[in-house]
Amino acid sequence: NAGVIQTPRHKVTGKGQEATLWCEPISGHSAVFWYRQTIVQGLEFLTYFRNQAPIDDSGMPKERFSAQMPNQSHSTLKIQSTQPQDSAVYLCASSLDWGLGGREQYFGPGTRLTVL
Amino acid sequence: GDQVEQSPSALSLHEGTGSALRCNFTTTMRAVQWFQQNSRGSLINLFYLASGTKENGRLKSTFNSKESYSTLHIRDAQLEDSGTYFCAAGPDSNYQLIWGSGTKLIIKP
Repeated sequence: NAGVIQTPRHKVTGKGQEATLWCEPISGHSAVFWYRQTIVQGLEFLTYFRNQAPIDDSGMPKERFSAQMPNQSHSTLKIQSTQPQDSAVYLCASSLDWGLGGREQYFGPGTRLTVL
Repeated sequence: GDQVEQSPSALSLHEGTGSALRCNFTTTMRAVQWFQQNSRGSLINLFYLASGTKENGRLKSTFNSKESYSTLHIRDAQLEDSGTYFCAAGPDSNYQLIWGSGTKLIIKP
């Protein structure tokens, strides 16, 4: 099992450009989560999909951020018109979502986004 | 809002010694996870607990949902244990993880 895969590992964008981050969850996992990690804010929840359906996006900034899960094997996080304050490590996690221990989340290596 | 209070924020241990990290929760949590974040930034799963105590090698973790806390004990610390340790808990109300602020652990020879 390759674990959660995230690409790219590093991305540098100019202010105002768009950034798309990709996540491939562990095969068979039905829940996919996105988190963001910064020095100042620590780790923060962004959004969550269950069986590809968006369930909770309460952590997503209302403007410029969007997430999709078009099929069970990948999810994308898109940031439009990137700003320097969007610089962070974006982490994707997946879980089985049922059964004993089914909610244990497994994390990918993250994408480090730097907005210049 | 829901909070996870993690302590200490930093800890320095000599090889072979041990200590405990603690997370207190301000709301009912159904489960807790402990992670080690290594120097490359990867989050390594250490424990997932819905209740009780689990042990894995030199690590032991306890989750007491009624008293709203969890602990991670490290014994016989080794250099490779260095890193930042996070607890993260899931409230009853939803699936997302709420994170502690982390404990930066340094192991000295």
